[in-house]
Amino acid sequence: AQSVTQPDIHITVSEGASLELRCNYSYGATPYLFWYVQSPGQGLQLLLKYFSGDTLVQGIKGFEAEFKRSQSSFNLRKPSVHWSDAAEYFCAVAPRTDKLIFGTGTRLQVFP
Amino acid sequence: DAGITQSPRHKVTETGTPVTLRCHQTENHRYMYWYRQDPGHGLRLIHYSYGVKDTDKGEVSDGYSVSRSKTEDFLLTLESATSSQTSVYFCAISESKLGYEQYFGPGTRLTVT
Repeated sequence: AQSVTQPDIHITVSEGASLELRCNYSYGATPYLFWYVQSPGQGLQLLLKYFSGDTLVQGIKGFEAEFKRSQSSFNLRKPSVHWSDAAEYFCAVAPRTDKLIFGTGTRLQVFP
Repeated sequence: DAGITQSPRHKVTETGTPVTLRCHQTENHRYMYWYRQDPGHGLRLIHYSYGVKDTDKGEVSDGYSVSRSKTEDFLLTLESATSSQTSVYFCAISESKLGYEQYFGPGTRLTVT
């Protein structure tokens, strides 16, 4: 069955430090891939998506993600974290014949 | 931001009572979804709709029903609420068939006592 794994439940970084959030998926072919962010008390906002082509995709708020087929991964990165980036981040995949499947989320805490 | 509203935003109800949550969109998107969010589970799809009066079940549909009589409204009903249905419920909309690029509403926090 298709699945999405976000191995880190909670990550803490200092403001200004770099960030990488991990996402691995299990699926026979390359699905569509997404990262969403959820600020406290809010709905989810799309950060970026990968459908095909360049494996490094740029998103909003200075985030980027890299698709690595050999590792079945789609990790989210940001070179310098701001306090306002504190939120929960969800990776999601859409197998090309089905609906979105979400990971369980990674909560990011940012210390000043 | 996509025009999606959910009502109510917060609700406390007793076990055994029926509850209806409403999702309203102003984007004229064809596809609408109801998810529930629980710690350790991420978001799980309850039901979805691909047009007026066209709905289908998601992975956690037991105890829930939906209706869509107009493009802009998608209702989620808990026939007889149970404590296990205490959750945050999100509505989402999408233009595309495969359900990607979904836009989410602000959520409804439901507590069943």
